[in-house]
Amino acid sequence: SQQGEEDPQALSIQEGENATMNCSYKTSINNLQWYRQNSGRGLVHLILIRSNEREKHSGRLRVTLDTSKKSSSLLITASRAADTASYFCATDAMGGSYIPTFGRGTSLIVHP
Amino acid sequence: KAGVTQTPRYLIKTRGQQVTLSCSPISGHRSVSWYQQTPGQGLQFLFEYFSETQRNKGNFPGRFSGRQFSNSRSEMNVSTLELGDSALYLCASSSVAGVSTDTQYFGPGTRLTVL
Repeated sequence: SQQGEEDPQALSIQEGENATMNCSYKTSINNLQWYRQNSGRGLVHLILIRSNEREKHSGRLRVTLDTSKKSSSLLITASRAADTASYFCATDAMGGSYIPTFGRGTSLIVHP
Repeated sequence: KAGVTQTPRYLIKTRGQQVTLSCSPISGHRSVSWYQQTPGQGLQFLFEYFSETQRNKGNFPGRFSGRQFSNSRSEMNVSTLELGDSALYLCASSSVAGVSTDTQYFGPGTRLTVL
């Protein structure tokens, strides 16, 4: 079964609005990473957040991690049409062999 | 630096055949990982190679194999192809071992269609 599960499955917003995606996982983790994928292409790494971190920022991206709730969120502020893509979280189980497990992704559409 | 390259970009095979996919990592990167992406199963980890040694392996049958050369280039082989092997195969490289501990850089993928 998938370790990370993104929510919502799909999100449609207007340019300039903020987009929030959530990721829940089942077991304790070492790290959690967020990726973006444009239609049918390779993934682009966005942010890695370690289990002892609570929040990280990168440009318009803000990632939070709540290990007590086993969840993470990705916030994209002031979205642009170019942010239209699928977003995935990937986790690796603590004590495991660092095999990343991906969720099914959130499909984000930003309308110009 | 040039990014991760994968060849071929598109491939059509028939059931029972075998296929070899190639991945050239970013210069200086020694870790190469492979993933399979399908609409039904999503993105799944196949295996990771570092300095020519397989470090980790996902839950795939033995028909899926790989190797890494001394120049860090990697190949993935799938034998006795099945319809369900139709997928986008992604390769990623990083400078250190352990796919979850460092930034991975993905290639554009090879789209394999099995007829």
